[in-house]
Amino acid sequence: DAGVIQSPRHEVTEMGQEVTLRCKPISGHDYLFWYRQTMMRGLELLIYFNNNVPIDDSGMPEDRFSAKMPNASFSTLKIQPSEPRDSAVYFCASKQNTGELFFGEGSRLTVL
Amino acid sequence: GESVGLHLPTLSVQEGDNSIINCAYSNSASDYFIWYKQESGKGPQFIIDIRSNMDKRQGQRVTVLLNKTVKHLSLQIAATQPGDSAVYFCAESPVKYIFGTGTRLKVLA
Repeated sequence: DAGVIQSPRHEVTEMGQEVTLRCKPISGHDYLFWYRQTMMRGLELLIYFNNNVPIDDSGMPEDRFSAKMPNASFSTLKIQPSEPRDSAVYFCASKQNTGELFFGEGSRLTVL
Repeated sequence: GESVGLHLPTLSVQEGDNSIINCAYSNSASDYFIWYKQESGKGPQFIIDIRSNMDKRQGQRVTVLLNKTVKHLSLQIAATQPGDSAVYFCAESPVKYIFGTGTRLKVLA
């Protein structure tokens, strides 16, 4: 298996633009998580899905952030409009019902 | 609330010595704990895990200790090598995984 696949790996955009990050979880995994990583706050859980259904989105910073999982093999995290403080590395991770999380390589977002 | 915190932001260890990285957790309901290693520019990678019905688990050169009484978790790395240099995170979970800010391990030659 190729592991969790995220795209784009790097994105630079201007404030106010829409940003869409994509994730393909490992096949057969029931859970998908979106995290944001910054130097100041470390790894913050934004939202997680179980069987494509959002279970806990309490970590989503504000209404500018939204996440979807239309099917078991794809998820998106959207920021609209983006702001400089959204600059971070965004990780997607997936897991089976039990056991450890498998992380993707991350999407580094820079908002100018 | 749920939180995971690390005592030491940076740990410097001589090559060949043992490393100990500590972690405190706050959620008494957590029943599963994991240590991850993150190298620069990469996603976190699984090192070792432990369930709450155990107090010690050993892997290859790594040992995780769990003290539920004081809600403390530690990662011991034996004979630390340059390749162990990274940021280490602990995470706790009843269901979702909460991570701390991480400890940077620097291995000195």
